[in-house]
Amino acid sequence: SQQGEEDPQALSIQEGENATMNCSYKTSINNLQWYRQNSGRGLVHLILIRSNEREKHSGRLRVTLDTSKKSSSLLITASRAADTASYFCATDALAGSYQLTFGKGTKLSVIP
Amino acid sequence: SQTIHQWPATLVQPVGSPLSLECTVEGTSNPNLYWYRQAAGRGLQLLFYSIGIDQISSEVPQNLSASRPQDRQFILSSKKLLLSDSGFYLCAWSVRGLSYEQYFGPGTRLTVT
Repeated sequence: SQQGEEDPQALSIQEGENATMNCSYKTSINNLQWYRQNSGRGLVHLILIRSNEREKHSGRLRVTLDTSKKSSSLLITASRAADTASYFCATDALAGSYQLTFGKGTKLSVIP
Repeated sequence: SQTIHQWPATLVQPVGSPLSLECTVEGTSNPNLYWYRQAAGRGLQLLFYSIGIDQISSEVPQNLSASRPQDRQFILSSKKLLLSDSGFYLCAWSVRGLSYEQYFGPGTRLTVT
């Protein structure tokens, strides 16, 4: 079954605004990851947050994790046109797994 | 630094024809290797993963198969393509072990006609 589900499915903002994407999942996890995919390209790893972490930063990215609600959010501050892409969350299984389960993604459009 | 290659970049094949997609990784040893398929506007579906040579797990029953002839080479094959095999195929690698980030290749766009 699908583990991660992103919300919203699509988001359109003006350059300079902040973008927030959410991810919900169903079962306990070891970590949650966020990836970006530019149209027609492979995925690029952005950030990994472990189940014992609540918040993590990387440049303009801020990720939060609430294991009690089984949810995560990705905040991109001061967005740029180059941030236009699809963003996916991915989760593993608490028992340990070689596999990641990806959501369907949020398509972000940043308008110059 | 590590790099991952996939080829071909695009492929148009008739129904019933065979398929061979290749993925190679450079700059690392003993990686975990993965094949995913992505339908248009959708998330990724894990097809196969491998934690070593001759250790390949299939996640979705289908007419596709995978092989790992060398430590850093992963091949996706089919004897007879179906229309439903169309999609964007992505290869990825990770450090051997559990729950690590994955690094993706550029992908192969397959259209079955």
